[in-house]
Amino acid sequence: DAGITQSPRHKVTETGTPVTLRCHQTENHRYMYWYRQDPGHGLRLIHYSYGVKDTDKGEVSDGYSVSRSKTEDFLLTLESATSSQTSVYFCAIRTGEYNSPLHFGNGTRLTVT
Amino acid sequence: LAKTTQPISMDSYEGQEVNITCSHNNIATNDYITWYQQFPSQGPRFIIQGYKTKVTNEVASLFIPADRKSSTLSLPRVSLSDTAVYYCLVGDKDNQGGKLIFGQGTELSVKP
Repeated sequence: DAGITQSPRHKVTETGTPVTLRCHQTENHRYMYWYRQDPGHGLRLIHYSYGVKDTDKGEVSDGYSVSRSKTEDFLLTLESATSSQTSVYFCAIRTGEYNSPLHFGNGTRLTVT
Repeated sequence: LAKTTQPISMDSYEGQEVNITCSHNNIATNDYITWYQQFPSQGPRFIIQGYKTKVTNEVASLFIPADRKSSTLSLPRVSLSDTAVYYCLVGDKDNQGGKLIFGQGTELSVKP
């Protein structure tokens, strides 16, 4: 296990409310990622980070922001949740530099009502 | 835009060998090819990685031709528990390898 913890594991929230998901790692790896996965779809990259305070957008970044103020935590924020953001969110870390495999967390199931 | 293309789904029977091919025509010189397996309600997990020719581990084999524009994941003698979605992934040289975008994956269904 690469020591990844996602919290919360499940969340139900109302449209328009802010939501923050947390990804925590115990091994000080540089690269961290947020993906979302919807039924019948593959994994879509939201944002990723390549170091403290260094982040970049992925494929589907609209409506999401991220922060990484320390190596071990990568936060994903939905400033004003919408029903289209109902999804399973996976955090991943890369255990080394270029070409190192990804290790994924167990996911957060978010429902926006 | 995903850099890989795979069949959307495949069916097999227990005990058969399954080969899943991934196309990555624009793979960069330094990129490795990595395969992941995902079961329902779980995050993907790493299966195997290679750069060229053949790689084998206790779970699978990976075949990569000389031009590296495709790769084939081979699962020997599949069982029902191999029913999952399989993804291949290549690197991203334009963003220091950071922007890792998955393709659609291949949904493998193993039948008794």
